Amino acid sequence: GQNIDQPTEMTATEGAIVQINCTYQTSGFNGLFWYQQHAGEAPTFLSYNVLDGLEEKGRFSSFLSRSKGYSYLLLKELQMKDSASYLCAVEDSNYQLIWGAGTKLIIKP
Amino acid sequence: ETGVTQTPRHLVMGMTNKKSLKCEQHLGHNAMYWYKQSAKKPLELMFVYNFKEQTENNSVPSRFSPECPNSSHLFLHLHTLQPEDSALYLCASSQDGDPSGANVLTFGAGSRLTVL
Repeated sequence: GQNIDQPTEMTATEGAIVQINCTYQTSGFNGLFWYQQHAGEAPTFLSYNVLDGLEEKGRFSSFLSRSKGYSYLLLKELQMKDSASYLCAVEDSNYQLIWGAGTKLIIKP
Repeated sequence: ETGVTQTPRHLVMGMTNKKSLKCEQHLGHNAMYWYKQSAKKPLELMFVYNFKEQTENNSVPSRFSPECPNSSHLFLHLHTLQPEDSALYLCASSQDGDPSGANVLTFGAGSRLTVL
């Protein structure tokens, strides 16, 4: 079966760096997405990786290793507003999105 | 208004009620989706419409009935629901043909449904 694994919850300190991991086993691969969802709000698109390597976008970076079925989202200079759930999703060979259950990130002062 | 708008934001209904969720997108996208989000579970795709035609129905019980009258509006009609149907129902839209190849979804804020 197809599966996406990510930690349920993580805690980090304001100003620090946190890495949220995502591992996947899917039928084929057409890209990996990260979305951010604040409590009570819509998920919003953060990043898309289809080739191996690191994509940097301001304080957020996303890394992909297709051979390892692994990605991470790196958040630098954490701010209180970064407290949210982070959803990892993989597009399989049928262009179906397979979602992880999300990682709830708690930022402490 | 811009983006994807969902109404109502909150809905409480009994198991014998009939209600509808509404979604409207102002982005000119050609695909619309209904997802179910339950606590600590992955998003579950329910229905997909491309150019108003249903292209996906992920074995959803018939007590959920989608309607897509045009490419900007999507409804989810609810009847004789069960308490386990209580969840956040998210609508999303997307546009084929992004140069990056990414099918990026734009979500609404969701309709929080409670079935008593």
